[in-house]
Amino acid sequence: GDSVTQMEGPVTLSEEAFLTINCTYTATGYPSLFWYVQYPGEGLQLLLKATKADDKGSNKGFEATYRKETTSFHLEKGSVQVSDSAVYFCALSGSSGYSTLTFGKGTMLLVSP
Amino acid sequence: EAGVAQSPRYKIIEKRQSVAFWCNPISGHATLYWYQQILGQGPKLLIQFQNNGVVDDSQLPKDRFSAERLKGVDSTLKIQPAKLEDSAVYLCASSSGLRTDTQYFGPGTRLTVL
Repeated sequence: GDSVTQMEGPVTLSEEAFLTINCTYTATGYPSLFWYVQYPGEGLQLLLKATKADDKGSNKGFEATYRKETTSFHLEKGSVQVSDSAVYFCALSGSSGYSTLTFGKGTMLLVSP
Repeated sequence: EAGVAQSPRYKIIEKRQSVAFWCNPISGHATLYWYQQILGQGPKLLIQFQNNGVVDDSQLPKDRFSAERLKGVDSTLKIQPAKLEDSAVYLCASSSGLRTDTQYFGPGTRLTVL
């Protein structure tokens, strides 16, 4: 079945540091890939997505590229802010034709001033 | 545009009691999902509706969980009787249903079973 593996957290960074959160997946077919973010006390929000190989999703300074050859969708940001502190979830959908999301376990990011 | 609404936000019950959660999706969204998120894990799908029909309920513990979506809009998820391991956040999401579409999530209901 489908699965998503994320690096374990927490990831602790100082403000303005470079961020990478690794995500790899196992799926049949051609899934769509997503990063969702959950800020403290809030619900899940879409951060970015990519629907086919080599697509780059971007939003709020975050980027991720759909790499089919390495089955990866790593999240990056050049300069993190304290307000980026949250839990980040990598997810995929559609490999079986359904739109159901399969999530990773989530990676907590803590950014200090 | 109004988001996905859920109620209640928090619920504390004792084991063997019953509980129900309500969800109102974004207007016009044909597909509605219920996910269970246990602390420290990613959300796991319980059931997916397309309009008022069930598309996937393979991971729903049917001996104790039930869900319905009347008239293809609002949905309720019920647990009867609850077990300690049902303590989790129950998330409702909606989308137009295409595999490339964004799913929009509600704030969730945090259930604690004592």
